[in-house]
Amino acid sequence: DTGVSQDPRHKITKRGQNVTFRCDPISEHNRLYWYRQTLGQGPEFLTYFQNEAQLEKSRLLSDRFSAERPKGSFSTLEIQRTEQGDSAMYLCASSLEAGRGHYYGYTFGSGTRLTVV
Amino acid sequence: RKEVEQDPGPFNVPEGATVAFNCTYSNSASQSFFWYRQDCRKEPKLLMSVYSSGNEDGRFTAQLNRASQYISLLIRDSKLSDSATYLCVVNPEGGYNKLIFGAGTRLAVHP
Repeated sequence: DTGVSQDPRHKITKRGQNVTFRCDPISEHNRLYWYRQTLGQGPEFLTYFQNEAQLEKSRLLSDRFSAERPKGSFSTLEIQRTEQGDSAMYLCASSLEAGRGHYYGYTFGSGTRLTVV
Repeated sequence: RKEVEQDPGPFNVPEGATVAFNCTYSNSASQSFFWYRQDCRKEPKLLMSVYSSGNEDGRFTAQLNRASQYISLLIRDSKLSDSATYLCVVNPEGGYNKLIFGAGTRLAVHP
């Protein structure tokens, strides 16, 4: 499978627990993005990486959220002390930024659906 | 005011109908525009980019009016398989960095 993979597909957790999601981008893609989507809304940008560097973080990404991409390949998104308002679909996407504003293959993964009870 | 606004619908249309969706965006400096399609509980998928000159892909036609900050999508000869949520998407910075999504317009095509 050469698409964007996300794991797990579903996660149910109790309020206050920590959770971590993983995203494996398309292998040749140097950019990786995280979005969050709640019911009835479009995806909201959270953060993105160029290789291992985190270049932008949304104000939506509170201090309970942290994202890493240590070797410029897969990425993890951790939520500490989860709250019921964190319940959402967490989407990862990747693309190849080839310089001079040229980009290719912006592709979303199937997402991780988080339910905080 | 939301950065990208769409009529949430739903639009319920019979097969074969023509349906149009509209979208407005607030950042006049926005550079790139797209329509995405999202099926229930699935990830969004690119339907088409939107260019100032307007563009067409089969039964789908997209238009951009920069002066009015308005984007449209026209679907002709609707099929049952067109039933989905259509997301208007803007990249305020050009390139392909963060995407700003509207809340989506639901389309239901019935026999």
